[in-house]
Amino acid sequence: GESVGLHLPTLSVQEGDNSIINCAYSNSASDYFIWYKQESGKGPQFIIDIRSNMDKRQGQRVTVLLNKTVKHLSLQIAATQPGDSAVYFCAENIKWTNAGKSTFGDGTTLTVKP
Amino acid sequence: DADVTQTPRNRITKTGKRIMLECSQTKGHDRMYWYRQDPGLGLQLIYYSFDVKDINKGEISDGYSVSRQAQAKFSLSLESAIPNQTALYFCATSDRTSGRTTDTQYFGPGTRLTVL
Repeated sequence: GESVGLHLPTLSVQEGDNSIINCAYSNSASDYFIWYKQESGKGPQFIIDIRSNMDKRQGQRVTVLLNKTVKHLSLQIAATQPGDSAVYFCAENIKWTNAGKSTFGDGTTLTVKP
Repeated sequence: DADVTQTPRNRITKTGKRIMLECSQTKGHDRMYWYRQDPGLGLQLIYYSFDVKDINKGEISDGYSVSRQAQAKFSLSLESAIPNQTALYFCATSDRTSGRTTDTQYFGPGTRLTVL
C-alpha cells in the first residue's frame, strides 16, 4: 500500500510500501526544484531534480511530481527500504536570477519499519 | 561526500571565544555556501560566495563572517561565540556553468558546534 503524507514533519511506512513525501513551495517564480536526502550524521545528498517545464521525472525507485498550479512538489519512493530512512528536504531555485542559491523546506523525517 | 571536507567535525567552546570552521573542496566548483541547521529544522543560509571576489550575506549572517581564501576554500568565523549559535554547520558547493540551469549543491559532512 501507499503512505501519503500531507506536509508533515514525520512519515512512518512499512518496508516494501511506497512512500510519498510532500512539499509546498512559496515562490511562484521558482523554476528548478531539488530533493535532498539527509541521513543521520551526514550532510544532505542530491536525490533528484525537476525543472518547471516538466511535471514528472523518474529516477531509480524515485519519482518527483511538480504541480505548479498549486505550488506543490512530491517525492515518491517505490518499495521503501530501511536505507531510505532519513530526513528529506525539498529546495526551490530561480534560474534567471543570479542568486544562485536554493531555499530549503523544513524537511520530512521518513522512518521505515521492518 | 569526500569531495567537500569540513574541519573540525566537532567543537565545544565557551561563550565569547572566536571560532573558525573551515571548508575545502576538490570539485572545482566556483560557488560555496555556509548553512546552519538547528535540531528538527531545515537549512538556513549564512553566507555564500560565487567566486573568490564575491561574498554575499544570507538569511542569518549576523554574528558570523566568512573568508574565501581560494576557489577551493571557504571559512566561517564566529567572532564571539554565543550559546544560541550551537548548531550543526554545513558547507556546500555548486557549479553553475554558463548556459546550464541546474544548481545542485554538494554538502560536506557537517561540523557540530556547541557553545557553552
